[in-house]
Amino acid sequence: KNEVEQSPQNLTAQEGEFITINCSYSVGISALHWLQQHPGGGIVSLFMLSSGKKKHGRLIATINIQEKHSSLHITASHPRDSAVYICAAGKDGGSQGNLIFGKGTKLSVKP
Amino acid sequence: DGGITQSPKYLFRKEGQNVTLSCEQNLNHDAMYWYRQDPGQGLRLIYYSQIVNDFQKGDIAEGYSVSREKKESFPLTVTSAQKNPTAFYLCASSVIRLTGELFFGEGSRLTVL
Repeated sequence: KNEVEQSPQNLTAQEGEFITINCSYSVGISALHWLQQHPGGGIVSLFMLSSGKKKHGRLIATINIQEKHSSLHITASHPRDSAVYICAAGKDGGSQGNLIFGKGTKLSVKP
Repeated sequence: DGGITQSPKYLFRKEGQNVTLSCEQNLNHDAMYWYRQDPGQGLRLIYYSQIVNDFQKGDIAEGYSVSREKKESFPLTVTSAQKNPTAFYLCASSVIRLTGELFFGEGSRLTVL
C-alpha cells in the first residue's frame, strides 16, 4: 500500500460542478502539499498546509491531522481547471522537498 | 520574472551515453531538488541540495549525479549506469523554512533510444 493514496484516479465533471479530490496518508507529516500539473508537464504549488483549511479563489484545501486525510475542493469548476492534481506529504523531520507523492488525480472539466 | 528554467525540454539520447539536464533559478532559493516522474507513478526524489557545494541522495539516486557549484544552478547528470533513464525530470526549489512552498520548472523529457 502506498503511503499517500489519492482518489479518484480520474474525474470527469461538467463545467460549474463542485469537485472534491481526496488524499489519505499513513505517515507522520510536517506538511501536506497540493500541486497542479498542466498537460505540458509543469507543476504549480497550490497549497501547503499542516492544519485546518486554506482558500485561494475557487480552490479550498482542508486537512484532518487525526484522520490523516486531506481534501481539495474546486467550486464552480471550469474547463481551465482540467489538469492532474497531486497530493504530497512532507515527511515529519525530513527536508521540505523530501516528499511522498500520490499518483495524481486527472481532472477533466467539460464545457 | 523570477522562476526556474529547465533545459532542454525534450532530449533524445542513445543508450550508454551520459546526459546532463540543466536547472537554473533566479528566486534566490537555498534549496533545490530533482524529481523523476514515470507514467502512473508519483514523483520520486533523486537528489536535493540545501547549500552550495553540498547535496544529499534522495530515494532513487543510483545512476544519477549532481553538482551545486552556484546557488542558482543544480544540473543533473543521467549516467549510463541508470538502468531505465527514459522519464520526465522535474527540478524544484524552495526557501528553507517550515512554510516554504516548492517552485517547479517545466520539466525535461528524456528518451533513451
